[in-house]
Amino acid sequence: DARVTQTPRDKVTEMGQEVTMRCQPILGHNTVFWYRQTMMQGLELLAYFRNRAPLDDSGMPKDRFSAEMPDATLATLKIQPSEPRDSAVYFCASGLVRGYRLETQYFGPGTRLLVL
Amino acid sequence: AQSVTQLDSHVSVSEGTPVLLRCNYSSSYSPSLFWYVQHPNKGLQLLLKYTSAATLVKGINGFEAEFKKSETSFHLTKPSAHMSDAAEYFCVVSLWGGSQGNLIFGKGTKLSVKP
Repeated sequence: DARVTQTPRDKVTEMGQEVTMRCQPILGHNTVFWYRQTMMQGLELLAYFRNRAPLDDSGMPKDRFSAEMPDATLATLKIQPSEPRDSAVYFCASGLVRGYRLETQYFGPGTRLLVL
Repeated sequence: AQSVTQLDSHVSVSEGTPVLLRCNYSSSYSPSLFWYVQHPNKGLQLLLKYTSAATLVKGINGFEAEFKKSETSFHLTKPSAHMSDAAEYFCVVSLWGGSQGNLIFGKGTKLSVKP
């Protein structure tokens, strides 16, 4: 059963520290998404990659957030420096886009981030 | 432009009674549509999806949804609610053109199931 894996599952850090979240997408999927979920804002799409190329990161605060996909098995989301308002659950999702359709999308278990 | 509206923020049913969670969408073209479920402190699990094949889609745990183009709806149903169905449900609309895409999540519907 193919799954999206995310590490770490939980992260507590102090304001100003760098945070790196990792995601391993499902083999054969061509699109990777990063989402953030908070009680106040709900689920927000931060960025996505298609065939490892960043396509849209308009949902991401560019001054402190960066997303990369160094190879087909690893996507990373970095926050530097972190701030308390970044506290949220960050989800990675792996999907397959064919033509004009997102055929499927599966979510990882999430990284729960707390910035003190 | 696309949009998705989940008409109820909270639905409460008794165990064993039918479930109806409503979702309406707006899209210039035929989109893909998904329903996800999220249990407390858990990730999002794909329940079912519509991607242009059969309009009545069956998913996991006895859920199904019908794509009705004329009504721009994709309501989620289940004949008989179980206590374990209590969770938050998200309707998602997606449309891609070339290499760019759009994914819109509804605000979610919290389902409560009473014994």
